[in-house]
Amino acid sequence: GDSVTQMEGPVTLSEEAFLTINCTYTATGYPSLFWYVQYPGEGLQLLLKATKADDKGSNKGFEATYRKETTSFHLEKGSVQVSDSAVYFCAFSAGNNRKLIWGLGTSLAVNP
Amino acid sequence: EAQVTQNPRYLITVTGKKLTVTCSQNMNHEYMSWYRQDPGLGLRQIYYSMNVEVTDKGDVPEGYKVSRKEKRNFPLILESPSPNQTSLYFCASSPYMGGNTGELFFGEGSRLTVL
Repeated sequence: GDSVTQMEGPVTLSEEAFLTINCTYTATGYPSLFWYVQYPGEGLQLLLKATKADDKGSNKGFEATYRKETTSFHLEKGSVQVSDSAVYFCAFSAGNNRKLIWGLGTSLAVNP
Repeated sequence: EAQVTQNPRYLITVTGKKLTVTCSQNMNHEYMSWYRQDPGLGLRQIYYSMNVEVTDKGDVPEGYKVSRKEKRNFPLILESPSPNQTSLYFCASSPYMGGNTGELFFGEGSRLTVL
């Protein structure tokens, strides 16, 4: 069935380090792909999205490319900041009602 | 300000005492949904509503009820709470799902503890 697999956390990095959070999906059809971010004590918010193969979503220095051939949507950032410490969720929309299928989330801690 | 508002934000209650978590959005969104978030289990959908008077079960609906009498409100009702419903609950809304935007707007969460 439809599912999302994200790399397990927690991920701990130093400020200005390069970040990659892996995400792969199993879906029928042609889903849209999303990364959501949850800052401490807050609800989730959309970080970026891509709606078709080879699209690149980007926001706040984060990027992810829709790779249909590898069914992946890895999140990257060239230089993380302490303020990027959060939980990151990969998701895709599937089925006739476009239900969102969620990964389990990856916790990121960035140290100064 | 466009937002999804949940109340209460924090609640400690006892087994069997009925409670309602309210959710209201001011963006005229058609789609609304409730999730619970638990460590190691991620986000799980409880119920969702595609429009007024239209609700459907998500992945974990047992022990919960919802109603959608008005477009802006989508309360979550726990008729007889049990300790396994201790969780962090999120309400979310979206302009429409048919258009495949997938962009959900989340409330700040309601942390519920059932003793």
